[in-house]
This record gives sequence, structure tokens and C-alpha cells, in this order.
Amino acid sequence: GQQLNQSPQSMFIQEGEDVSMNCTSSSIFNTWLWYKQDPGEGPVLLIALYKAGELTSNGRLTAQFGITRKDSFLNISASIPSDVGIYFCAGQMIQGAQKLVFGQGTRLTINP
Amino acid sequence: DAGITQSPRHKVTETGTPVTLRCHQTENHRYMYWYRQDPGHGLRLIHYSYGVKDTDKGEVSDGYSVSRSKTEDFLLTLESATSSQTSVYFCAISGAQGGEQYFGPGTRLTVT
Repeated sequence: GQQLNQSPQSMFIQEGEDVSMNCTSSSIFNTWLWYKQDPGEGPVLLIALYKAGELTSNGRLTAQFGITRKDSFLNISASIPSDVGIYFCAGQMIQGAQKLVFGQGTRLTINP
Repeated sequence: DAGITQSPRHKVTETGTPVTLRCHQTENHRYMYWYRQDPGHGLRLIHYSYGVKDTDKGEVSDGYSVSRSKTEDFLLTLESATSSQTSVYFCAISGAQGGEQYFGPGTRLTVT
């Protein structure tokens, strides 16, 4: 089935560094979502984006809906230990379709 | 946090036995989903429901059936469990046209 290309697959950074990850697709999306998953738990919604070009922040997290509607970016500033986890992008291709396509995830590891 | 619970949280069963997983929501959301999560495959949609008694297949529906007799409950049944169905299963709910989905805590199923 349709997949989103999420990169990088993993990141190893020092505490305090900024983080960037992205998702791309060959298809146009109407909604982009970013989730974080901690070990043993379900994904938690971080940010939702609804318009091309939209830039939305949630604390130290900032995400953007790409102008082409085929990509999205997530940035984390000044990383802290609790940012460790797996980050997933997800997109809705058709308005009202109520199904999402997920990226494979970016595993973030932080060295204190 | 969205009011979603899954039961059981952990289950070990033998090949060939039937298994039913339950998802319960207190949000009165219309849409409910079952996903499985496996290393290297991310989140894959098994089945989803768009209302009481209204369900449809996802991308990996073979070997699974679902039922939704009440708005708040969505059941996933493995009629005859196989080792390939060892996975972590997540339920999600959505009430928004924008596609935002909220996930439950997951059920870890091991088929021996």
C-alpha cells in the first residue's frame, strides 16, 4: 500500500541539539500529522497541519506542511532526554476519507 | 488524553485458537480503527469502522474480522491465530473530518 518516506530512520544526538526530520510522498496530502511513540505505549498526536505552507508550533516542536502538499517537516529545538522515542508522520490523502498513511518512523536517541 | 482502553494489554495464545481483542472509547467518536505494528512495517491498518455495524477492510485484513455493535466498542477477532499474527495491536479513534486519530495503549499478542 501507499507509504510515506520518512527520514532519517534513526538519529543519535547530544542533549541540547536541534533535530529535523521529514516525510515525503509522490502523492498529494490534505492533512499531515506528527505523532510520538514512547516504548510500550501508543502513538500520541503532537501536531496537525491542514493547509499547504502552514507552520505550527507546540512548545519546542515546529512542523510545516510543504507547499507542494507532498511533504512535511518536524523540528525539535533544544532537545531534552524526554524527547527520546519514535516519531511518525501520517497523512490523509483524500479529504474526509478518514484513513491515514503512516511513515516508518524516526527513532530519536539522545546522549545526555 | 482521549478515553480509549484496550483489553487485554498482553496475551499469549497457541496457534489455532480464537482470540478477541477489545477496544473501548468514551469519546463518542464515529470512526474506530485497528492497526498492527511490526518492526520494519510501521503501523498497518487491519480494519476500520465508520459507524455501528459499518466496517471496511484495511491493507492487512486477511485472517481478521471485526464487529461494532455499539458506538463505544470495536472488537477484533483472530478466528484461528497464527504465528504471523504475533504483533502489537493498536486501536484508534477519530471524530474529526481532518483525519486526526487518537491511539489506545496497545495489546501485545504472542502466538506460540
